[in-house]
Amino acid sequence: AQKVTQAQTEISVVEKEDVTLDCVYETRDTTYYLFWYKQPPSGELVFLIRRNSFDEQNEISGRYSWNFQKSTSSFNFTITASQVVDSAVYFCALSETSGAGSYQLTFGKGTKLSVIP
Amino acid sequence: DSGVTQTPKHLITATGQRVTLRCSPRSGDLSVYWYQQSLDQGLQFLIQYYNGEERAKGNILERFSAQQFPDLHSELNLSSLELGDSALYFCASSVGVGGVDQPQHFGDGTRLSIL
Repeated sequence: AQKVTQAQTEISVVEKEDVTLDCVYETRDTTYYLFWYKQPPSGELVFLIRRNSFDEQNEISGRYSWNFQKSTSSFNFTITASQVVDSAVYFCALSETSGAGSYQLTFGKGTKLSVIP
Repeated sequence: DSGVTQTPKHLITATGQRVTLRCSPRSGDLSVYWYQQSLDQGLQFLIQYYNGEERAKGNILERFSAQQFPDLHSELNLSSLELGDSALYFCASSVGVGGVDQPQHFGDGTRLSIL
């Protein structure tokens, strides 16, 4: 069975600090995708990024960056110069093939990030 | 705005009752997924439909059922409701059959409260 572990349940940082959210996964699939979603206090789930298992290049998008290391089964997410609007619960997710070419997402428990002004 | 529409936003009902949650996928998306987010279980996959047919099943209780209609909207039916069914129910959609590379875009969720 697949598993996604987000060991940090809650993190608090002061505005403008950098913060890294950890994600470790387990899978037997050779082809898989990893995702990060953001859930702000309003409750919706917002897709942030997906990364396939063959692409270990780091990715940067504005203040967000992602570090994927297959050797350690980790897909960590860093927010640079955090802002109050970054306060949310962040979920790491792993695609799991369900047969017949379809897949489902296995989510971690989430990390609640609070950015203090 | 993800383009996925869920109604109603909030639902309050009593134990033993039956409710129906509705989801309209993004324009052009053929796959619909249902997830349950509860305090103790976190976000769990329930079921997927593709173009009207059930495609994958997760941790969905027998008291729950779903279907996808010809216009591609989907409904999740929850019956004989128990207190533990109180949760946020998300619908998501994706292009095509739901290949491993296709991101799922989520609706705002329906918050179900059982009294």
